[in-house]
Amino acid sequence: EVQLLESGGGLVQPGGSLRLSCAASGFTFGNYAMTWVRQAPGKGLEWVSTISGGGDGTFYADSVKGRFTISRDNSENTLFLQMNSLRAEDTAIYYCAKRGDGSGWSYFDYWGQGTLVTVSS
Amino acid sequence: DIQMTQSPSSLSASVGDRVTITCRASQGISNYVAWYQKKPGKVPKVLIYAASTLQSGVPSRFSGSGSGTDFTLTISSLQPEDVATYYCQKYNSVPLTFGPGTKVDIK
Repeated sequence: EVQLLESGGGLVQPGGSLRLSCAASGFTFGNYAMTWVRQAPGKGLEWVSTISGGGDGTFYADSVKGRFTISRDNSENTLFLQMNSLRAEDTAIYYCAKRGDGSGWSYFDYWGQGTLVTVSS
Repeated sequence: DIQMTQSPSSLSASVGDRVTITCRASQGISNYVAWYQKKPGKVPKVLIYAASTLQSGVPSRFSGSGSGTDFTLTISSLQPEDVATYYCQKYNSVPLTFGPGTKVDIK
């Protein structure tokens, strides 16, 4: 059974940093690109960042480029999101999501429960 | 970047009604569209991928169609458990943009 478990969320001041983790199990982690998606309070879903299975390809939304860094440790089956220079508008539930099957870019077939990040003074 | 729009933004229908949600891409994206269901406090769930392929385990009352720029999600007979917000998403290339969502509730 595929399981994704996020952690690391919390309250942080504007300008601060936070590191999110997503522990994966139930599939061959290194074979799949992984993604972070967020949902701000009362807003829709927003794609944040994707990393290739091997970790050599990383992609970011313009809203987080230069501030967030996605990475992964395939030996530990864990995905990360390092968030720096946080802003109030980064307040959201952050979900990690697994790529669906197939080649090229894909939809997301499994999602974690999410971790809440609140940026406020 | 390619933009995704959805219509309507919300709708209210009776149990048993046929419900149709439209998603439009600002440029052609072949069939690289997925549809997700999001209930408050719950995790997003993929319903349809490749525009018309039903994800395993999803009830057959859900269906998808379209190609190029225009896509549709249809619920053939609305059920109380279908109350949710529905999002389309493009995945032909980054950014993997979601539509703004369509909120569905029961009349």
